Parts: sequence; structure tokens; C-alpha cells
Amino acid sequence: GAVVSQHPSWVICKSGTSVKIECRSLDFQATTMFWYRQFPKQSLMLMATSNEGSKATYEQGVEKDKFLINHASLTLSTLTVTSAHPEDSSFYICSATTPRSTDTQYFGPGTRLTVL
Amino acid sequence: GQQLNQSPQSMFIQEGEDVSMNCTSSSIFNTWLWYKQDPGEGPVLLIALYKAGELTSNGRLTAQFGITRKDSFLNISASIPSDVGIYFCAGQLGRGSTLGRLYFGRGTQLTVWP
Repeated sequence: GAVVSQHPSWVICKSGTSVKIECRSLDFQATTMFWYRQFPKQSLMLMATSNEGSKATYEQGVEKDKFLINHASLTLSTLTVTSAHPEDSSFYICSATTPRSTDTQYFGPGTRLTVL
Repeated sequence: GQQLNQSPQSMFIQEGEDVSMNCTSSSIFNTWLWYKQDPGEGPVLLIALYKAGELTSNGRLTAQFGITRKDSFLNISASIPSDVGIYFCAGQLGRGSTLGRLYFGRGTQLTVWP
């Protein structure tokens, strides 16, 4: 149980375009979903915390107009990187918590974004 | 933000050897967790620790929640090639979506030679 999927697993886009990444909880309803980014050989950095039906809470230094998060249902959250630039190239990972265990985060497999 | 100091940064060991890595912080954490990440994958939870002094095992893995609540260690016994990966410690200050956010260490890259 507690499986989280992400789509796509990798994406290459041109600079200036927007990219949407989906995060789904497959066998549970996610109380909260989190979005992280990870640069090569670096740790995971939290970008934002998202609760279903409410606005995401962004970490300091993360531009909310650039990284749009929509959490429209209890099983789906999306991260849209708008007007992507090469420096946005990174590994984006989502996680979700379950109603039974609100403090245990289950991670998705990640999405590799490359901006040319 | 909270700083977690994880060491060592990397380890190169021979199959069968035991491994130890640790994490320290300047803040008191309510929960300590250890994750493993394979290349191109998301982290997978290995062990979660909820009480100071708690010692928990998961197969060949053993982790402890430090008495001061500012540190934790992870031991892997009799390492095997599939133990290769990056191990991250993470801490939570409390419960809920705000206090329950994870703070990660920088990771320990483990390489196991056959």
C-alpha cells in the first residue's frame, strides 16, 4: 500500500515553455502532498507543501508564480514549471501522507526535467 | 532552515563489511528517519524512530534515536552489493503538515565492492 506515482518520469523541453508534472497517490487518499527538487549529488530540498483544496505553502526562496502547484483532488497534485529555463533542470520528487499516518511521507519515483 | 550534518559523505567498502553512518543536528527532532535512494528513483523509507533512545532494526539495518534527540545513526551489517545507493537521514520537528515537514541530511553515498 501507499504507492505514489509520478508522470512523466522524464521530460526534455525548450527554454521558455511550460512543463506539468503529475503526482498521484494510487491506493490511498493523500492528506498532504509535498514537492521537492534535487540537484545532482545534492539532498532533497522542499519546495512547497500542498493540501487538497487549498493554496500551496511555498518555502522561502521558491517562486510561486514560476512553480504552480494545483492539488485539485485527494489523489492528484500537479507541479507546473512555467517559462522553464536551463537552471530549472533538476530531479523533481513528490511525496504524500496518508490519513492513517499523517507524518509518514511516501515518495514518488521522481521526474527528471531537462530544459534545453 | 534546520541543518542536518550527515557523515560520512561517501563510503567504499567490501562486501560483507559492516557500515555505520550518522546524522547530527543543532535542533531537537521529534522523529528521525532513514531513507535509501537508488539512482533515478525517489527515496524509500528504511527505518523510522519516534522516541529518544529507541533502537530499531529492519533486517540487516539498525538505527538509533539519540538520547539528546539531536542525533541518529544507521548501521548496516554484512553489506551486500544491492546495498549500494545514497542513504539520507531526515528529521521532523513535530507533527502535522508544517512541523511534520522533513529536513534531510546531505546523504551518504555507499559503494560496495564484491
